[in-house]
Amino acid sequence: QSALTQPRSVSGSPGQSVTISCTGTSSDVGGYNYVSWYQQHPGKAPKLMIYDVSRRPSGVPDRFSGSKSGNTASLTISGLQAEDEADYYCCSYAGSYVWVFGGGTKLTVL
Amino acid sequence: EVQLVESGGGLVKPGGSLRLSCAASGFTFSSYSMNWVRQAPGKGLEWVSFISSSSSYIYYADSVKGRFTISRDNAKKSLYLQMNSLRAEDTAVYSCARVTTYSYGMDVWGQGTTVTVSS
Repeated sequence: QSALTQPRSVSGSPGQSVTISCTGTSSDVGGYNYVSWYQQHPGKAPKLMIYDVSRRPSGVPDRFSGSKSGNTASLTISGLQAEDEADYYCCSYAGSYVWVFGGGTKLTVL
Repeated sequence: EVQLVESGGGLVKPGGSLRLSCAASGFTFSSYSMNWVRQAPGKGLEWVSFISSSSSYIYYADSVKGRFTISRDNAKKSLYLQMNSLRAEDTAVYSCARVTTYSYGMDVWGQGTTVTVSS
């Protein structure tokens, strides 16, 4: 149950696109198409942004998209907006009702 | 409104115990599996424990196995986490989260309750 690896921080200017990577192993990210992404603003509860690698829950803007290649998943945010500034966490189902999170990435909108 | 509200956190000495509760409202609690997730100060999210809708399946992170016990009461729409033999490294905000019925994402989260383990 080792944490997934995410960059500690990324940044971008309004209107630009940023991508956050999430690297795991064949036992989690690579083994299941059940990667989810969460947005967390300071002092707030996490919000589900992407599930099943690339699916968006109702209400999440289509500026948010997800993908996966091998043991690495990615979250791309296009058309950056000021309100996107937050911490982002990836999470993978790892089988047998076990989940593993990434360490989190702080997104700064310049 | 779909809502999860945690309670029961506090300051406890190493080796002590606490019981956290999570009250659900606005949805059919008995239809959903639930997770406990924690976040240490300044750190990332860490999955702690899972319980299926009927309590048939229960799993724990290695870091809490043998010390924490998850349970639920569907009649009371409540989820619990009994924490024993607490350590300093258990200090965190503990949140309950609803697992979607269609996948393994967590679509509803509580605000969390703070547990501080310190002498």
